[in-house]
Amino acid sequence: AQKITQTQPGMFVQEKEAVTLDCTYDTSDPSYGLFWYKQPSSGEMIFLIYQGSYDQQNATEGRYSLNFQKARKSANLVISASQLGDSAMYFCAMREGPAGGTSYGKLTFGQGTILTVHP
Amino acid sequence: GAVVSQHPSRVICKSGTSVKIECRSLDFQATTMFWYRQFPKQSLMLMATSNEGSKATYEQGVEKDKFLINHASLTLSTLTVTSAHPEDSSFYICSAEVPSKTDTQYFGPGTRLTVL
Repeated sequence: AQKITQTQPGMFVQEKEAVTLDCTYDTSDPSYGLFWYKQPSSGEMIFLIYQGSYDQQNATEGRYSLNFQKARKSANLVISASQLGDSAMYFCAMREGPAGGTSYGKLTFGQGTILTVHP
Repeated sequence: GAVVSQHPSRVICKSGTSVKIECRSLDFQATTMFWYRQFPKQSLMLMATSNEGSKATYEQGVEKDKFLINHASLTLSTLTVTSAHPEDSSFYICSAEVPSKTDTQYFGPGTRLTVL
């Protein structure tokens, strides 16, 4: 079974609008971390936001927020006020186990969602 | 955020030669680094986990004699693709883990390898 599922191969949004990128995960470990990365066409992976499984509040970083619904095992990324520079591939990833634990920080990535922002 | 560099960014080599890719953490010490491979429009595939001062841990299906990893210091890990063949052509990207309560991985800019 897929551990990280991103069901939207591509998404389109108008500039200045908000967009939600979906991510569901599967783990039996009570301690885990969820990450979102952005990969522009240049190829670099840019860390956007982190959510820990025990975090009580949804993570926010500037225009990025994470809609964490633990019971549904979903961790959707919300980008507010989209900009043309937001056009990129977005990956959701999960680390199973606590930070510093025996998982050695291994990440499992989803298949990614290509976001295109229209002017 | 933490800065990770990778060199070279692009390399073209002849079949049968070896290529070394360097991954450096510039402003932090990284006990653990990771090497990934990515095909066009696909996700990242973890190849191996590199731990400073010990042998790398390879993922299933990755040939450790083909992809040599050395993590000689807390800021440098290298990946050597030995006897490269055209099927090794790919985008290789490294990451370094910042020891913290989140263990976030920060990525290098990647290396595009083309084997002729």
